[in-house]
Amino acid sequence: AQTVTQSQPEMSVQEAETVTLSCTYDTSENNYYLFWYKQPPSRQMILVIRQEAYKQQNATENRFSVNFQKAAKSFSLKISDSQLGDTAMYFCAFIPGGGADGLTFGKGTHLIIQP
Amino acid sequence: KAGVTQTPRYLIKTRGQQVTLSCSPISGHRSVSWYQQTPGQGLQFLFEYFSETQRNKGNFPGRFSGRQFSNSRSEMNVSTLELGDSALYLCASSAGTGLMNTEAFFGQGTRLTVV
Repeated sequence: AQTVTQSQPEMSVQEAETVTLSCTYDTSENNYYLFWYKQPPSRQMILVIRQEAYKQQNATENRFSVNFQKAAKSFSLKISDSQLGDTAMYFCAFIPGGGADGLTFGKGTHLIIQP
Repeated sequence: KAGVTQTPRYLIKTRGQQVTLSCSPISGHRSVSWYQQTPGQGLQFLFEYFSETQRNKGNFPGRFSGRQFSNSRSEMNVSTLELGDSALYLCASSAGTGLMNTEAFFGQGTRLTVV
């Protein structure tokens, strides 16, 4: 079984700062996918960024980028130039290549962007 | 293009009753997955359907069941409700053969309260 650990229950930064959210995972799989999802107060989960384990290059999406360290089983999310609208719960998630057991989520990090 | 629609948005049921939740995926999407979100356990995978067939199932008792219709709409049913079933139930749809291949789009969830 896979596990995903997010060690920061809550983080708070000033607007325009850069913030990094941590995520580690444990799996015996070699082929898998990692995701960061955002859940604002509206409760709708939104995909922020996705990383395929076989790709060495770190994924980026505008202000969002990841630092994927496969050997260390680490998958951190960096948000640059943070905005008030980034305030939300952020969940790290894992799914094996075969899709069994669906997405495994971490407990989440509550990110607060202060004006 | 309409998003993932879950109905109802809110529901209050009594212990021992049963409940049916509905999820209409994005048009053209054939994969639908269900997740339970609670403050204590976080997000947990319930099951995934593709082309009317259950492909994967999480670690939930048999009281939790689901199905998918030919138009890809899905329902999940919980029988003999317990207080611990109170949760936000999220549905996700994707176009491909599973979450690992394409982006998963989530609905806004159904908030179930068991009293």
